[in-house]
Amino acid sequence: EVVVTQSPATLSVSPGEGATLSCRASQSIIGNLAWYQQKPGQAPRLLIYGTSTRATGIPARFSGSVSGTEFTLTISSLQSEDFAVYYCQQYNKWPLTFGGGTKVEI
Amino acid sequence: EVHLVESGGGLVQPGGSLRLSCEATGFIFIDYWMAWVRQAPGKGLEWVANIKPDGSEKFYVDSVKGRFTVSRDTAKNSLYLQMNSLRVEDTALYFCARGPGSGSYYYYFDYWGQGALVTVSS
Repeated sequence: EVVVTQSPATLSVSPGEGATLSCRASQSIIGNLAWYQQKPGQAPRLLIYGTSTRATGIPARFSGSVSGTEFTLTISSLQSEDFAVYYCQQYNKWPLTFGGGTKVEI
Repeated sequence: EVHLVESGGGLVQPGGSLRLSCEATGFIFIDYWMAWVRQAPGKGLEWVANIKPDGSEKFYVDSVKGRFTVSRDTAKNSLYLQMNSLRVEDTALYFCARGPGSGSYYYYFDYWGQGALVTVSS
């Protein structure tokens, strides 16, 4: 099983600041990684797939990248609606696995 | 517009059974992989099962193999999850999610339902 580890567990930022979220896989997943945003009481929403491709309707302030085995979601300037929990998911191997999440809070 | 609506959740005793349904609208159902993903209260996301567009292939997380069965009915544009031998640790919000189109093997989920709550307790 590919273990996906997200860090930090919680990130405290102010509106207008940038945020960098990390996701590391226990083995190579090539570029098969997605990011989701989940707000309280809502279903997850797809943000990024294929490491860096934004899903339909996702603002350009969200971007994804990779360096070695570390995948990164960057939010360039946090808006009030961006405070949420973010999950990464690898889809390179079965079973599909999610990271534990990063909560972005004020 | 794509919509996924789950139903069938509820309270069940350990060892009991429950069947979840997910009605899909707004897209050609037979063209897409479908999946179930669950979230225990206050916890993260856990993939449960995937089913191929034609239903010929199914994949499960180890913890539900032999107990859960995913299926689909093209005529009804519906996805199902039959859950048997339920355990307390199966308590979660179960989301129906759309996977890749047929011919693609990039198993991320672009649309999600609002979830059906399953509580396993005596």
